[in-house]
Amino acid sequence: AQSVTQLGSHVSVSEGALVLLRCNYSSSVPPYLFWYVQYPNQGLQLLLKYTTGATLVKGINGFEAEFKKSETSFHLTKPSAHMSDAAEYFCAVTADFGNEKLTFGTGTRLTIIP
Amino acid sequence: EPEVTQTPSHQVTQMGQEVILRCVPISNHLYFYWYRQILGQKVEFLVSFYNNEISEKSEIFDDQFSVERPDGSNFTLKIRSTKLEDSAMYFCASRDRANYGYTFGSGTRLTVV
Repeated sequence: AQSVTQLGSHVSVSEGALVLLRCNYSSSVPPYLFWYVQYPNQGLQLLLKYTTGATLVKGINGFEAEFKKSETSFHLTKPSAHMSDAAEYFCAVTADFGNEKLTFGTGTRLTIIP
Repeated sequence: EPEVTQTPSHQVTQMGQEVILRCVPISNHLYFYWYRQILGQKVEFLVSFYNNEISEKSEIFDDQFSVERPDGSNFTLKIRSTKLEDSAMYFCASRDRANYGYTFGSGTRLTVV
């Protein structure tokens, strides 16, 4: 079984400041990891994913995440927050088992302070 | 860019009524999923579907729920007798074999009154 823990249900940062959203996973097999963003009243949009290869993954909108196996983490960062980054962010995990489902964390609501 | 299409975007139904939520996955994808998100809560897995049969279902997916892929393009979720607690956003997702890019639809907001 796999699970994801997102530390901090709400995070506030000032515009232009570093964004850091934390995600730790639990998996008995090599994980595939994802970050999704959800804007108000909208669906889930893929920001980035890690499957194999380079552990630093770059995504859309200037976000990136680093897979750290030793820390079982996949934290999401962005060097400089923009007002348009305000949204809910979900970390998710799956495994390389054909039709394996995604398991989501509880989400982190990011607020940007002008 | 290919999209997963869900209809309707909003549905209001009376308790005890049947509802069918519709999804058109990306055409070359092989794996299909339904998730739900109760307002303000996490996204929860309901069911996965592959090769015309259910692969896995969660505890939420009880006998009131069913899925079908009736014509090779649509993928439907039926709730036979809706309850107030079925009110949620329902997301359809699909994935191809090789690329672990799960693509989600924009969701159907179901309100049971």
